[in-house]
Amino acid sequence: QKEVEQNSGPLSVPEGAIASLNCTYSDRGSQSFFWYRQYSGKSPELIMSIYSNGDKEDGRFTAQLNKASQYVSLLIRDSQPSDSATYLCAVNIRTGGFKTIFGAGTRLFVKA
Amino acid sequence: EAQVTQNPRYLITVTGKKLTVTCSQNMNHEYMSWYRQDPGLGLRQIYYSMNVEVTDKGDVPEGYKVSRKEKRNFPLILESPSPNQTSLYFCASSQGPGLAGGVSWADTQYFGPGTRLTVL
Repeated sequence: QKEVEQNSGPLSVPEGAIASLNCTYSDRGSQSFFWYRQYSGKSPELIMSIYSNGDKEDGRFTAQLNKASQYVSLLIRDSQPSDSATYLCAVNIRTGGFKTIFGAGTRLFVKA
Repeated sequence: EAQVTQNPRYLITVTGKKLTVTCSQNMNHEYMSWYRQDPGLGLRQIYYSMNVEVTDKGDVPEGYKVSRKEKRNFPLILESPSPNQTSLYFCASSQGPGLAGGVSWADTQYFGPGTRLTVL
């Protein structure tokens, strides 16, 4: 079982719609959760971080965390063609130090 | 400008020829990490470092070495590269996990531009 799982997609939504991206994780010791956006051939860049249960909103982006269900999601409102990218879910786990586990990513296409 | 730099950006080499990929950050970050990215597998952590002289294995450390002699630099060493190490490599840094009231948290990781390595 993968430690962080995402639907690989592609997820296709029309411009202006809400895109919903989901991620589940297996380690209950996970403490920090991140969504990164990666354009083709580029390095990942942070979209959202969330540490406690509930919703966190930043502009058009909302991250949702449910530790009991081991589930984290990202909603993108008013999707734009420029949002077309791969979205990576990442989880930090304390192991004495700490390590980061990434999901394989979900490809999002926003159609104009 | 705050940044993470990696060199080289592209490298084609042959099996068994030792190589080093450099990583440097100018943000005084404590935490640094190396990842490799392969199609369908996402980013996998190779090694990470919590501070100078403190390193630990990630999920795929076999065939790699690292060192952290200075806070700003975290080179990745392939002593005897093999074709299965052909990949896209990213270095990342962050301020590092902090402790506040017993709750641990970790900061944003800033990624370098990537090094595309091909081992023939």
